[in-house]
Amino acid sequence: DTEVTQTPKHLVMGMTNKKSLKCEQHMGHRAMYWYKQKAKKPPELMFVYSYEKLSINESVPSRFSPECPNSSLLNLHLHALQPEDSALYLCASSQDAVRSETQYFGPGTRLLVL
Amino acid sequence: GQNIDQPTEMTATEGAIVQINCTYQTSGFNGLFWYQQHAGEAPTFLSYNVLDGLEEKGRFSSFLSRSKGYSYLLLKELQMKDSASYLCAVRGFSGGYNKLIFGAGTRLAVHP
Repeated sequence: DTEVTQTPKHLVMGMTNKKSLKCEQHMGHRAMYWYKQKAKKPPELMFVYSYEKLSINESVPSRFSPECPNSSLLNLHLHALQPEDSALYLCASSQDAVRSETQYFGPGTRLLVL
Repeated sequence: GQNIDQPTEMTATEGAIVQINCTYQTSGFNGLFWYQQHAGEAPTFLSYNVLDGLEEKGRFSSFLSRSKGYSYLLLKELQMKDSASYLCAVRGFSGGYNKLIFGAGTRLAVHP
C-alpha cells in the first residue's frame, strides 16, 4: 500500500480566512513533505518533517504553518493568504528523509484564494 | 547549483516508442527519479536510478549515466493513457541538506 491521502480535494478561501490542509499516510514512513505546484510548473518543496520534527523550511512565508501531530499525520495551516498562493498543494511521504527513499505523493489539495 | 533540463513537449503515436531525455547538474548526486503526472493529479512514481545502467519495469525503462549527468525514460507500446507530464527529479545536496529537485516536466501527447 503506497497511499497518501489528502483532504480536502478542493478549497476556496478568502484572504482573511483560516483553513487547514490535512495529509495522512499509514505506510510507517517517518518523513513527510509539503510541496506547492503552480500550473505547468514542477512541484516546489516547502517543508520537510523527519521523525515528527521540522527539518527543512524552504523560506516559506509565515502565513503557511506546518504541523505534525504524529508520525501518520501532517497538517498545513493557512492564514491571511494571497491570491498568488493559489496552487495545488501536494503532500508526500518517504521511509526516511536522509537516505534516497522514494517519495509517494497524495492526490493534492487544489487551493483557490480569492 | 542545481539544474535539470528536459524537453517541454513531445508527441508520439499510439503503439510507438518514445524516449524522454533529462540532463542534470547537481551537488552530491544521490539518485534520480522519474514521475508521471496526469493533469490535475499527483505525481506517481515510475522509476529510480542511482547506479549507471538501465532499469526496466514493464513498458517503462529508465537509464542513467552519472558521468554524463544524463538520464532517459523509455516508454514502449505507447497507449493513449500515457499522455501526461513526465517529471525528472534528482536527489542532491542543496542548501545544507539532501532534497529532491524536479525538472519542469515533459508533456507527452500520444495520438492515434
